[in-house]
Amino acid sequence: GQQLNQSPQSMFIQEGEDVSMNCTSSSIFNTWLWYKQDPGEGPVLLIALYKAGELTSNGRLTAQFGITRKDSFLNISASIPSDVGIYFCAGLKIGGSQGNLIFGKGTKLSVKP
Amino acid sequence: GAGVSQSPSNKVTEKGKDVELRCDPISGHTALYWYRQSLGQGLEFLIYFQGNSAPDKSGLPSDRFSAERTGGSVSTLTIQRTQQEDSAVYLCASSLVSLGPDTQYFGPGTRLTVL
Repeated sequence: GQQLNQSPQSMFIQEGEDVSMNCTSSSIFNTWLWYKQDPGEGPVLLIALYKAGELTSNGRLTAQFGITRKDSFLNISASIPSDVGIYFCAGLKIGGSQGNLIFGKGTKLSVKP
Repeated sequence: GAGVSQSPSNKVTEKGKDVELRCDPISGHTALYWYRQSLGQGLEFLIYFQGNSAPDKSGLPSDRFSAERTGGSVSTLTIQRTQQEDSAVYLCASSLVSLGPDTQYFGPGTRLTVL
């Protein structure tokens, strides 16, 4: 099925570093969501965005809904060890079914050895 | 309160067998969703139930897949004549649909392995 282009696929972080990831699509979305998934768990919603240009923060997390409605980014500032996990973007297409979220393939955050 | 629960947590089956996966949504949530997550992939939408409306089955990959939601609560995802490519984690989520898809709460998933 259709998926969003999420990058990077994986990244290594050192405690205290800022982290940035993004999602792009050729289609227009009216909602962007960012989730985090820990091993053996279901995804947990971090941030929801509803308007083009919207910038929303949740603690050390900041996400933006791109002006074109075709992209979104998530930033994590001053990363800590518990930030490791897989981060997914998800979008709801204009005209799409209420339940039909489209997910990116995820960005895996790991701690630098 | 209790979150979304799924059972079994793990299921190993032989190719060709049928399997049933169960989801207990959060009490009072009117919408229920099933997703499939293959290794290293994002979530793939399968089916969506909302209240008494006809479900959105647009994501079901083949006619071997079906789902029911009885009494507006518990849901069962059935895969008939399982194939090895059906191996994945099957995630269920529920939400108060009136507030939109951002209120989806996910269960821990059922890991299905088809030998």
